[in-house]
Amino acid sequence: KAGVTQTPRYLIKTRGQQVTLSCSPISGHRSVSWYQQTPGQGLQFLFEYFSETQRNKGNFPGRFSGRQFSNSRSEMNVSTLELGDSALYLCASSLPQAGGANIQYFGAGTRLSVL
Amino acid sequence: AQKITQTQPGMFVQEKEAVTLDCTYDTSDPSYGLFWYKQPSSGEMIFLIYQGSYDQQNATEGRYSLNFQKARKSANLVISASQLGDSAMYFCAMREGKWAQGGSEKLVFGKGTKLTVNP
Repeated sequence: KAGVTQTPRYLIKTRGQQVTLSCSPISGHRSVSWYQQTPGQGLQFLFEYFSETQRNKGNFPGRFSGRQFSNSRSEMNVSTLELGDSALYLCASSLPQAGGANIQYFGAGTRLSVL
Repeated sequence: AQKITQTQPGMFVQEKEAVTLDCTYDTSDPSYGLFWYKQPSSGEMIFLIYQGSYDQQNATEGRYSLNFQKARKSANLVISASQLGDSAMYFCAMREGKWAQGGSEKLVFGKGTKLTVNP
């Protein structure tokens, strides 16, 4: 069974540009969450999607947005990039079930560098 | 607000010895889940072990066990018989609420502990 796939693995952008990151969840998983990891702030929750609906959102500016498609694949977009957006962006998928452990499985991440 | 504290920035252990990584948490929700993840230098977060707040027994998964002390709000990870490949960052995380009751999949992470296994 294939794991969570994130593309691209590495990105270099300049300030002011925008970027789109992609995440393909484990087959059958319907929930996708995104996290940002930086040395200073650690791992921070960005958003969570289930059945194409944003279920929860972290404390990030509106420049950060996301969506989920009918096949559960998800994309996140960052517009008007800032130097501080340089980070490892991790996507996780799960199969939420009532009473279940609902383990989130992570992809290898996209490492974004903003110059 | 939920909070996870990992007080050990770095830990060293000799190969084949056991090591305990500390994690304390804070939540007012009676229903929560506690997770441990391993992050090698490659960046991928690897799930290790899960403990539910209502679980009576401590969780175990191979060489990993979770020492769950609910009254103390601690969920320490014990790795037995350490291997060189165990060298990595280890993160404790918590999720509050129940999915079926509108709960979120959101995980709150601690700052992590860097484990180094020496030969």
